[in-house]
Amino acid sequence: EAGVAQSPRYKIIEKRQSVAFWCNPISGHATLYWYQQILGQGPKLLIQFQNNGVVDDSQLPKDRFSAERLKGVDSTLKIQPAKLEDSAVYLCACKRGVSYEQYFGPGTRLTVT
Amino acid sequence: AQKITQTQPGMFVQEKEAVTLDCTYDTSDQSYGLFWYKQPSSGEMIFLIYQGSYDEQNATEGRYSLNFQKARKSANLVISASQLGDSAMYFCAMREGRTGGGADGLTFGKGTHLIIQP
Repeated sequence: EAGVAQSPRYKIIEKRQSVAFWCNPISGHATLYWYQQILGQGPKLLIQFQNNGVVDDSQLPKDRFSAERLKGVDSTLKIQPAKLEDSAVYLCACKRGVSYEQYFGPGTRLTVT
Repeated sequence: AQKITQTQPGMFVQEKEAVTLDCTYDTSDQSYGLFWYKQPSSGEMIFLIYQGSYDEQNATEGRYSLNFQKARKSANLVISASQLGDSAMYFCAMREGRTGGGADGLTFGKGTHLIIQP
């Protein structure tokens, strides 16, 4: 089966600009996660979807970050306006049903200048 | 308090030796899961091994085993017969609560950078 797809792979923007990342999970994987990985740290959960509903967004900075998962498949994560501290790799992950294993995409590396 | 603590920022190991990567965790949940992921320089997160809190036996997957000591709240990863391709960042992670029971995102440690020397 095809893996998790993310685009773009790299993005450079100036602070105060907006940016959007896209994720296409593995077919049939109802649960989708977005993680932020700052250089030198482990990934940090931003938001979890179950189908098209939000399960956990307690760590999402809602003043500037938003995410949606229309039709319970693809997902988009948006930052508006970006700050320097948003420079990180944004990882999308998914899992099937009650399985424990999360499958990660290749990530989008964001640089904010 | 840190939920996942990895105390070894970096390790150098000779090829073919066994290596143990340390991980301690903190949770008040009775049901939880512990994971190890490998992240090579290319950036992808590769799942290695999983241990459920109720699993009585230590998990094993090929050259990987998880030394689970529940009373000490530790979940160390053991790699037997290390290979040059094992050089990467290794992350310990925890899921609190039951999988599929709602919010089950992972909390990661800061990682250990493992370098295998020939």
